[in-house]
Amino acid sequence: NAGVMQNPRHLVRRRGQEARLRCSPMKGHSHVYWYRQLPEEGLKFMVYLQKENIIDESGMPKERFSAEFPKEGPSILRIQQVVRGDSAAYFCASSTNRGGSGSPLHFGNGTRLTVT
Amino acid sequence: DQQVKQNSPSLSVQEGRISILNCDYTNSMFDYFLWYKKYPAEGPTFLISISSIKDKNEDGRFTVFLNKSAKHLSLHIVPSQPGDSAVYFCAASGPGNTPLVFGKGTRLSVIA
Repeated sequence: NAGVMQNPRHLVRRRGQEARLRCSPMKGHSHVYWYRQLPEEGLKFMVYLQKENIIDESGMPKERFSAEFPKEGPSILRIQQVVRGDSAAYFCASSTNRGGSGSPLHFGNGTRLTVT
Repeated sequence: DQQVKQNSPSLSVQEGRISILNCDYTNSMFDYFLWYKKYPAEGPTFLISISSIKDKNEDGRFTVFLNKSAKHLSLHIVPSQPGDSAVYFCAASGPGNTPLVFGKGTRLSVIA
């Protein structure tokens, strides 16, 4: 998992607070993906971004969740007014292209969000 | 509507024997399949992949088989080692900007 950096590793928030998760992709990668893993579940796609553009947000909840990947700096996944059901591990991945044939995604070690 | 299914949540295998992990998919548009390995408190690590134009891909102890007509793929690990104990995720993607879809994972335990 070397290369994709996520921080913080652990984040505790009270209900109603905001959570900000950061992801720096591997060097040379311009495609970023966010996935969420609930306990005993697989990874669920949330959003796919390229620099300054959201390409696919079909897996993102319609409210409270937003993501960005600015021209400079890391990608940010923002969760407003967190609820207990948001508690999960959030993984960021990057690739050189869309992550399809010949270009597997490289994942970070995740941010474990706990909402109390 | 789970498009990628791993029906065995767990598997135990003796060290030195073969581990076979299975995966089924429902979307006939998928054209690229991957296996990831995940240790606790770490992110998934890419293991091996296969394109739909092939039916087998081998990398050291790991071989992935694809049966398109059955919409089934499997990962063979031989010989299995204790360090292979992890959760294995099957994933698939289709053409265009479709995101990678993951199964729920199979926890492999290799017993010494």
